[in-house]
Amino acid sequence: DTAVSQTPKYLVTQMGNDKSIKCEQNLGHDTMYWYKQDSKKFLKIMFSYNNKELIINETVPNRFSPKSPDKAHLNLHINSLELGDSAVYFCASSPLPSGNTIYFGEGSWLTVV
Amino acid sequence: ILNVEQSPQSLHVQEGDSTNFTCSFPSSNFYALHWYRWETAKSPEALFVMTLNGDEKKKGRISATLNTKEGYSYLYIKGSQPEDSATYLCASPNSGYSTLTFGKGTMLLVSP
Repeated sequence: DTAVSQTPKYLVTQMGNDKSIKCEQNLGHDTMYWYKQDSKKFLKIMFSYNNKELIINETVPNRFSPKSPDKAHLNLHINSLELGDSAVYFCASSPLPSGNTIYFGEGSWLTVV
Repeated sequence: ILNVEQSPQSLHVQEGDSTNFTCSFPSSNFYALHWYRWETAKSPEALFVMTLNGDEKKKGRISATLNTKEGYSYLYIKGSQPEDSATYLCASPNSGYSTLTFGKGTMLLVSP
């Protein structure tokens, strides 16, 4: 029973399209995150949500928008996709937003062509 | 912006070798230091969370130490095995304790 699950795992799409990546956690955690693994394989925080409130947003273009319908879900919407958006996106969750262990999903490989 | 540095960037050892790598972080306003293990095409998996100066944690052949006064942590692997091949990440909470800032990782390759 997967703790943090994200779909799709692989996504190939054309420039200019709008796409979403879904994430769900069944751990009862209060905080969920989106991380981006860049071309140098560096994990960078994009968003953090605590009880449906955005608590950080690290200089991410406004084409990216997180949407949280409830505590167990944090979806990532990307508008007007660009080639540079190609990356692996990781969803994660933790019990509290205070540096506790973060549990990651398996990643979504996005390729923009 | 929290600066978490790891070295070396990559490491190649033979099966049975013991190895270690370093994570350095700002020693002021220290809260916690995390180690994660990240296998290719899988999700990062938590190894240790360390909070106290002088702390030492162990899980099987893997152990870690923490020096909060000088701002570094070491991860040790005793008798490396091919299945230890992975990227090892360290991370520390940012100033608002809202998330973890990760280092760039040390990529370990253990050859049989």
